[in-house]
Amino acid sequence: EADIYQTPRYLVIGTGKKITLECSQTMGHDKMYWYQQDPGMELHLIHYSYGVNSTEKGDLSSESTVSRIRTEHFPLTLESARPSHTSQYLCASSEAHPGQGGYGYTFGSGTRLTVV
Amino acid sequence: KNQVEQSPQSLIILEGKNCTLQCNYTVSPFSNLRWYKQDTGRGPVSLTIMTFSENTKSNGRYTATLDADTKQSSLHITASQLSDSASYICVVSDRGSTLGRLYFGRGTQLTVWP
Repeated sequence: EADIYQTPRYLVIGTGKKITLECSQTMGHDKMYWYQQDPGMELHLIHYSYGVNSTEKGDLSSESTVSRIRTEHFPLTLESARPSHTSQYLCASSEAHPGQGGYGYTFGSGTRLTVV
Repeated sequence: KNQVEQSPQSLIILEGKNCTLQCNYTVSPFSNLRWYKQDTGRGPVSLTIMTFSENTKSNGRYTATLDADTKQSSLHITASQLSDSASYICVVSDRGSTLGRLYFGRGTQLTVWP
């Protein structure tokens, strides 16, 4: 059973609203990630963090921002939502870096965001 | 360019039948290869992970193989069940720089019919 939780599962919101997607893990992992996935497409890394107060942008440019004030918490914020932000957002955490064996790379259930 | 290609894009089989999904990659230097199962609207769930020295790994009715020389992997599902209907994603990690990163395939959408 995954110990990484995302809320909300589904969100429909109007254009221009500020939103925060929550992600929490109870495994004590230092490394956390945010991915964006459109239907039938591969996952794209948009943000990652290797520890508290450490955040980096991923491969896919995103207007969202993240913060890492506590080890277990990695929220993603959109200051002004637009229809182009409609997508599924997946949070993940890992025990080790992907190239170091990467065991324990676990995904949350995702948040399906629709901006109308 | 590091890439992960999966085939077929979609597959329909009858319950109880076996099937094999393919994954070809060009990721280098290679670190490990994972197969994930993703149900519609959910996050991916890990099935297997293999490093360079492993050429087969099983998880119940799922058996993954890896040929690091030809850079190919397969996922074999035995005696399929309706609950196997999902997208199966091949993910390859490199060990470039000091940390490595993940490269995702687009997945094979498997549908199991009764």
